[in-house]
Amino acid sequence: SQQGEEDPQALSIQEGENATMNCSYKTSINNLQWYRQNSGRGLVHLILIRSNEREKHSGRLRVTLDTSKKSSSLLITASRAADTASYFCATDAYSNDYKLSFGAGTTVTVRA
Amino acid sequence: DAGVIQSPRHEVTEMGQEVTLRCKPISGHDYLFWYRQTMMRGLELLIYFNNNVPIDDSGMPEDRFSAKMPNASFSTLKIQPSEPRDSAVYFCASSLGQGRMTEAFFGQGTRLTVV
Repeated sequence: SQQGEEDPQALSIQEGENATMNCSYKTSINNLQWYRQNSGRGLVHLILIRSNEREKHSGRLRVTLDTSKKSSSLLITASRAADTASYFCATDAYSNDYKLSFGAGTTVTVRA
Repeated sequence: DAGVIQSPRHEVTEMGQEVTLRCKPISGHDYLFWYRQTMMRGLELLIYFNNNVPIDDSGMPEDRFSAKMPNASFSTLKIQPSEPRDSAVYFCASSLGQGRMTEAFFGQGTRLTVV
């Protein structure tokens, strides 16, 4: 079963705006990762945040993790048309032999 | 490194035929994963290998599916016989470790259509 669930399922924003999506999970995790998938392509790793970290930045990406709420958020600032893609969170946990479990994804459309 | 290489990119086959999907992981990676992606079920882990040994195949849908990794640089996923409900995008991914503090590198996928 999928551990992570993204919200919203779809998001449409204007170029230059920020995009925020959330991921909730059910059991205690070891790490949480975010991936991007462009249409017709494979998934590309964006960022990994450990369970003992609360926030992480990478370029225009900002990820937060709240283990008490079992949730994470991904913020993309100053969005560009090239950010149009689906975004997935993936968790791994000791209880699941550290297998990566992916959510259903958030589809982001950035309008020019 | 060219990344994870999958072949073919697209496969259209008739129901009942055997289908073989191929994957070349990134050199040096000791984990290899096979995923299936559909609109209905999202991304599902089918099986994964560690150092060429299958560790967990609990995600393989049924006996029609089999996977092998004869060496560190090659893996196959076979469906025999294929059925229309097997239509999906199949991804191969490799990593240096299992989940913890490592990222998975995905291939471009094989889009399988069974008619």
